[in-house]
Amino acid sequence: GDSVTQMEGPVTLSEEAFLTINCTYTATGYPSLFWYVQYPGEGLQLLLKATKADDKGSNKGFEATYRKETTSFHLEKGSVQVSDSAVYFCALKNQAGTALIFGKGTTLSVSS
Amino acid sequence: NAGVTQTPKFQVLKTGQSMTLQCAQDMNHNSMYWYRQDPGMGLRLIYYSASEGTTDKGEVPNGYNVSRLNKREFSLRLESAAPSQTSVYFCASSDRGAQNQPQHFGDGTRLSIL
Repeated sequence: GDSVTQMEGPVTLSEEAFLTINCTYTATGYPSLFWYVQYPGEGLQLLLKATKADDKGSNKGFEATYRKETTSFHLEKGSVQVSDSAVYFCALKNQAGTALIFGKGTTLSVSS
Repeated sequence: NAGVTQTPKFQVLKTGQSMTLQCAQDMNHNSMYWYRQDPGMGLRLIYYSASEGTTDKGEVPNGYNVSRLNKREFSLRLESAAPSQTSVYFCASSDRGAQNQPQHFGDGTRLSIL
């Protein structure tokens, strides 16, 4: 079945460091891919999305490119801030569009 | 902008008690979902409702029932709570039939079962 695998955390960085969180997926057909962010005590918020191969999603300085050849959707940010500390979830929506399939989440902690 | 509203935000139950988690959305979305979030497990789908009047099981439906009361509201019921159901529960909604449409989440209900 469809699945999402993300790098395990926690990821600990200093402010202004470069961030990469790896995400790979297994799915039939052409899923849509998403990154969600969860701040402490809150629900999930959509961070960015990509719907077809080579699409780049971007938002708030974060970027991710849909790579079908490597079945990957890695999240990157050039310079992280303390306020980026949160849990990040990679997810896919299958072609049936019934629901999202999530990775287990990666905790990011940024210190000043 | 309320979006997706869940009640209650916190609840403590004793084993065997029942309760209903409420969810309402004001975005006129057709599809609604219930997930549970457990440490190290990500989010897992319990039930979903593709449209008003329909419900389907997700990955972990055992021990739960749902009701799609109308287009706005989708409730999750625990008939006889068990400690294994201690979790954070999230409701979400999205436009139906659009694969690339994201889901919008509520803030969650934190449920502890003693």
